[in-house]
Amino acid sequence: DAGVTQSPTHLIKTRGQHVTLRCSPISGHKSVSWYQQVLGQGPQFIFQYYEKEERGRGNFPDRFSARQFPNYSSELNVNALLLGDSALYLCASSPGVSSSYNEQFFGPGTRLTVL
Amino acid sequence: GNSVTQMEGPVTLSEEAFLTINCTYTATGYPSLFWYVQYPGEGLQLLLKATKADDKGSNKGFEATYRKETTSFHLEKGSVQVSDSAVYFCALPSQAGTALIFGKGTTLSVSS
Repeated sequence: DAGVTQSPTHLIKTRGQHVTLRCSPISGHKSVSWYQQVLGQGPQFIFQYYEKEERGRGNFPDRFSARQFPNYSSELNVNALLLGDSALYLCASSPGVSSSYNEQFFGPGTRLTVL
Repeated sequence: GNSVTQMEGPVTLSEEAFLTINCTYTATGYPSLFWYVQYPGEGLQLLLKATKADDKGSNKGFEATYRKETTSFHLEKGSVQVSDSAVYFCALPSQAGTALIFGKGTTLSVSS
């Protein structure tokens, strides 16, 4: 079975541009979460979507947005990129909403570099 | 809100040495606790978990016991291998239960 897939693998953008990152969850998983991992730090929660609805939002500015499609895949959009947005963006899928009872399976991530 | 603190690294060990990585948490109630591992160039993988106090999670020779008295979930392995070299993250659910909150990570480097 395929795991969580993310595209692209790497991305280089310049300040002020926007970016779209994509994630396909494990088949049968209805929840997708996005995390930002800055070098040397633990992942920070950005969003969770379940059944196409936003179920959780971390402490990130409105430049960050996301959506989930009927096939449960998801996009993360970041507008007006800043140098500080350079990070590894991780997508995680799980069968349900609760992070206590549903194991989250992580993709390999998209490495975003903002110049 | 819920939070987790884990020991800073890096931790450098010789093969077959004993490993301990400390993790303490602050939480409302008794949430599940997790250890994740990130190998170079990869995403995170769940290593082990414990869902209630005094539970012991174990996997691949690693163990961690949920201690509510000391609010701790320390990761241990009796004999590390070179292949265990990775970054280890302690984590717990957010208070709302929709996210995972991670520690800063501890880098383990094992030499032969």
